[in-house]
Amino acid sequence: SYDLTQPFSVSVALGQTARITCGGDNIRTKNVHWYQQKSGQAPVLVIYRDNNRPSGIPERVSGSNSGNTATLTISRAQAGDEADYYCQVWDTNSVVFGGGTKLTVL
Amino acid sequence: QMQLQESGPGLVKPSETLSLTCIVSSGSISNSMYSWGWIRQPPGKGLEWIGSIYYSGSRDYNPSLKSRVTISVDTSKNQFSLKLTSVTAADTAMYYCARHPSGGSFVFQIWGQGTMVTVSS
Repeated sequence: SYDLTQPFSVSVALGQTARITCGGDNIRTKNVHWYQQKSGQAPVLVIYRDNNRPSGIPERVSGSNSGNTATLTISRAQAGDEADYYCQVWDTNSVVFGGGTKLTVL
Repeated sequence: QMQLQESGPGLVKPSETLSLTCIVSSGSISNSMYSWGWIRQPPGKGLEWIGSIYYSGSRDYNPSLKSRVTISVDTSKNQFSLKLTSVTAADTAMYYCARHPSGGSFVFQIWGQGTMVTVSS
């Protein structure tokens, strides 16, 4: 089975840039999607197919995918960005989620 | 804007069958553009895909749950359902239903608010 590896936690100072990674074997060949889950809420799609934003997601949220690592970047971090973030791919007839990363805004 | 809402019992006894329904509103479940999935999240843990049913009627299930899972659609009620048999405490989780596009793009565009299911005697 395909594994996705995310750091357990990432911290960022208010107004700075946060980068959350998602590692997988040759992940660049896959479409990577990212979800934000705030405490007590359902996940929300923030990036799809590596670097596309759904309507309503601000431009300071972006994604990239290269080699064995996909990255979610949040610029000018705000208190409201504190959440768990999950990456997700499709592999061999199965959906795979990363373990999730807790983003803390200091 | 399409909305999804899960419903079902919040408490299920061990060895019994968990049954949940996801009601689709402000849109048709028969729309060929969409397929439908279930995802769960144990308390304090990450997301786990359970399975999906496609516009064609075919299904894919998580290999780790495949022997116990059935997902079906009821177009007359604009809803789809999950059945998970022989449940144990390990099946205690928040259960979400979600929509994804047809055609192989497994991106979960819209999620229900989730329903908590506890397995306990």
